[in-house]
Amino acid sequence: DSGVTQTPKHLITATGQRVTLRCSPRSGDLSVYWYQQSLDQGLQFLIQYYNGEERAKGNILERFSAQQFPDLHSELNLSSLELGDSALYFCASSDGTSLYTQYFGPGTRLTVL
Amino acid sequence: DAKTTQPNSMESNEEEPVHLPCNHSTISGTDYIHWYRQLPSQGPEYVIHGLTSNVNNRMASLAIAEDRKSSTLILHRATLRDAAVYYCILRDGTYKYIFGTGTRLKVLA
Repeated sequence: DSGVTQTPKHLITATGQRVTLRCSPRSGDLSVYWYQQSLDQGLQFLIQYYNGEERAKGNILERFSAQQFPDLHSELNLSSLELGDSALYFCASSDGTSLYTQYFGPGTRLTVL
Repeated sequence: DAKTTQPNSMESNEEEPVHLPCNHSTISGTDYIHWYRQLPSQGPEYVIHGLTSNVNNRMASLAIAEDRKSSTLILHRATLRDAAVYYCILRDGTYKYIFGTGTRLKVLA
């Protein structure tokens, strides 16, 4: 158990809909990272937040957005969903000081029908 | 972003050592070499990291070539629970990991 929690575990929705994925980092960790893992693209970095502020951006679509709240939990919002957005979404956290180790959550499996 | 190259798959017998290679010929002087693994149906898990010197921890050893253009993750005694996809990642100061396709390790009983 990494200490990172993600909800929900599974999500099934329809094209055009909007969903919110939630992540709670390990206690004390200030950084949160979001990744997408699909069969054809592998693990792709989406975005990172540090203590409430966006720090780095990867291949995140404009239809996707994220935020980190004062209690350090984070939410990834996916809108206008397409079939190709079906994937595993992982959240990871780190303490933000060591910059070395990221601890990954169990993921949310999103299925868009 | 610097890239890594790993074999798609490898096999090992249980309780034998496993050497997982990684090439990173475009590595820069400040890039750390990280290894993560992903067990089936789980998120990636940190294994080990290093910069220039060889590193050991309770999970594995990391051997880094003198020119740093390649590295090898060593599992000293593979178990069935080590069957996973192993990712070699270069990390610069931009905080993000760029995952490659990794090596799928199969451990035979």
